[in-house]
Amino acid sequence: GAGVSQSPRYKVAKRGQDVALRCDPISGHVSLFWYQQALGQGPEFLTYFQNEAQLDKSGLPSDRFFAERPEGSVSTLKIQRTQQEDSAVYLCASSPHRGFTDTQYFGPGTRLTVL
Amino acid sequence: KNEVEQSPQNLTAQEGEFITINCSYSVGISALHWLQQHPGGGIVSLFMLSSGKKKHGRLIATINIQEKHSSLHITASHPRDSAVYICAVPVRDLGSGGGADGLTFGKGTHLIIQP
Repeated sequence: GAGVSQSPRYKVAKRGQDVALRCDPISGHVSLFWYQQALGQGPEFLTYFQNEAQLDKSGLPSDRFFAERPEGSVSTLKIQRTQQEDSAVYLCASSPHRGFTDTQYFGPGTRLTVL
Repeated sequence: KNEVEQSPQNLTAQEGEFITINCSYSVGISALHWLQQHPGGGIVSLFMLSSGKKKHGRLIATINIQEKHSSLHITASHPRDSAVYICAVPVRDLGSGGGADGLTFGKGTHLIIQP
């Protein structure tokens, strides 16, 4: 069965450009998470969806970051007016049920480089 | 926010050695994740545990909820075990209400097993 997929795998953007990162979770998974991993660091929580509802966006670093999951499956993380400090790997994970109490299945990540 | 400390940060060992990686966290949780991240970024969930001990092949994870501490052990280590091992706990503590959603990650333990 297919795992979590993310696209693109690599993205290079010029400072000030907008980018959109896509996550395809495992089919039927209720929960979807976005994480940001800077070079040499552990991942940091960004936001959480339960189906189409964004229940927690406390980790989004600024209002330039926006995430959606309009039909409760595919999710898009959008970063507006990218800055160099946005350079990181963006990880998506999904789990079958609500919240933390399930194993999270991670995608391969999108490596964003902002020049 | 839950704070997670892992030790050691880096560990180099010879093939066959018994490996222990430690994780401490600051506030009460209901469960803890151990994850493995190989070079190139892919994250795999190894264990999710809420009490006692779990074993999978040569990997053993233990947790002491009262002491807010968990350990990951690798028996008969092999070069293919070389990876970053990350401990992750809920962003919020048990008492914050509404359940915990995203994960807070430790910085990881860089493990190298030499043949």
